[in-house]
Amino acid sequence: KNQVEQSPQSLIILEGKNCTLQCNYTVSPFSNLRWYKQDTGRGPVSLTIMTFSENTKSNGRYTATLDADTKQSSLHITASQLSDSASYICVVSPSRGKSTFGDGTTLTVKP
Amino acid sequence: NAGVMQNPRHLVRRRGQEARLRCSPVKGHSHVYWYRQLPEEGLKFMVYLQKENIIDESGMPKERFSAEFPKEGPSILRIQQVVRGDSAAYFCASSPTGVAQETQYFGPGTRLLVL
Repeated sequence: KNQVEQSPQSLIILEGKNCTLQCNYTVSPFSNLRWYKQDTGRGPVSLTIMTFSENTKSNGRYTATLDADTKQSSLHITASQLSDSASYICVVSPSRGKSTFGDGTTLTVKP
Repeated sequence: NAGVMQNPRHLVRRRGQEARLRCSPVKGHSHVYWYRQLPEEGLKFMVYLQKENIIDESGMPKERFSAEFPKEGPSILRIQQVVRGDSAAYFCASSPTGVAQETQYFGPGTRLLVL
């Protein structure tokens, strides 16, 4: 069964600090992995998308990494801002069939 | 640059009434996905439609729920005889060709409250 597990479930950090969110998956055969940001009360917005051959991809202060061998991904946020407070969702797509969504990590950035 | 539009944004229904949620995909996208998000939970897939066809409805409850995406007009998610447990945010997403590798573009959601 395809599964996506995210950790931690929630995280509180101070503004300006860095943090790393984790995503482990068992989706097979793997095609790509995406990280979405979902602000409270809004729909998810895509941050990064990585295929099998990509190890790292950045989008501003967001850097995603992928280890296809261990089936793990991380999303690193640098110099956090209050506007980074949101839920971060890891989505893994197989080469055939539908995508599997993680339950998300809720990040709270405090001043 | 119109993204995915959903309406209404908020919907209140009493138990037993019907709820109709509408989704207009990104212009040119012919693939639509509906997701449900219960309070404090993640997104759960419900149904995937292409114009005039239901491709995958494996996440949609067999009773009371139906979805359509007609040739003309928005996609509709219909919930008959709503119950309190249907209270949730319902998100619609669209993509150009429906390939699993594509990014899905999400709408702002419809928040359904069943009294």
